[in-house]
Amino acid sequence: EPEVTQTPSHQVTQMGQEVILRCVPISNHLYFYWYRQILGQKVEFLVSFYNNEISEKSEIFDDQFSVERPDGSNFTLKIRSTKLEDSAMYFCAIFGGLARREQYFGPGTRLTVT
Amino acid sequence: SQQGEEDPQALSIQEGENATMNCSYKTSINNLQWYRQNSGRGLVHLILIRSNEREKHSGRLRVTLDTSKKSSSLLITASRAADTASYFCATVVQGGSEKLVFGKGTKLTVNP
Repeated sequence: EPEVTQTPSHQVTQMGQEVILRCVPISNHLYFYWYRQILGQKVEFLVSFYNNEISEKSEIFDDQFSVERPDGSNFTLKIRSTKLEDSAMYFCAIFGGLARREQYFGPGTRLTVT
Repeated sequence: SQQGEEDPQALSIQEGENATMNCSYKTSINNLQWYRQNSGRGLVHLILIRSNEREKHSGRLRVTLDTSKKSSSLLITASRAADTASYFCATVVQGGSEKLVFGKGTKLTVNP
């Protein structure tokens, strides 16, 4: 199973502040996904990122969100001006497995906006 | 429309019993994947079943897929207390970007 790390594990921020969440796969990957899970709710797709471009984004992924691959390995999700409703677990995911169709998730970043 | 609805929402069984969780979906899919999530933790990939497959096994897990009924089931045999977790199905829709569409999950409690 491909290993994916995410930092920080927990981020507390004030409303209106910018946050950057990081995802680091152990091996080289071209395809990345970000998902979020509000406490007690289901996991929701945010954005997919292929070969340094957004390939699909959801309605949740508005202008406050952006994704980057700043140095060829790290993969970041930025929220420019956080809102209370952005409080959630944020997961990145990559492809893996024998058929490379399984999506493997990182441990997540718990974002708390106060 | 909702994609990937699991039932039951919650299931409580005794150790050693089998647990069956079901998932229904609405659109045509490429594959369906099952995940486990311990409380407040990350998502652990359990098994993937392709749209042209009907059954798949992995250890104590057995997954079935019925594309005519747009449904899947996850069976955990000889359950253990450590199996206590939430279980989610997630579908990859045909013609899409391979994003996963998750259901709301089944919360399984295995009592020792």
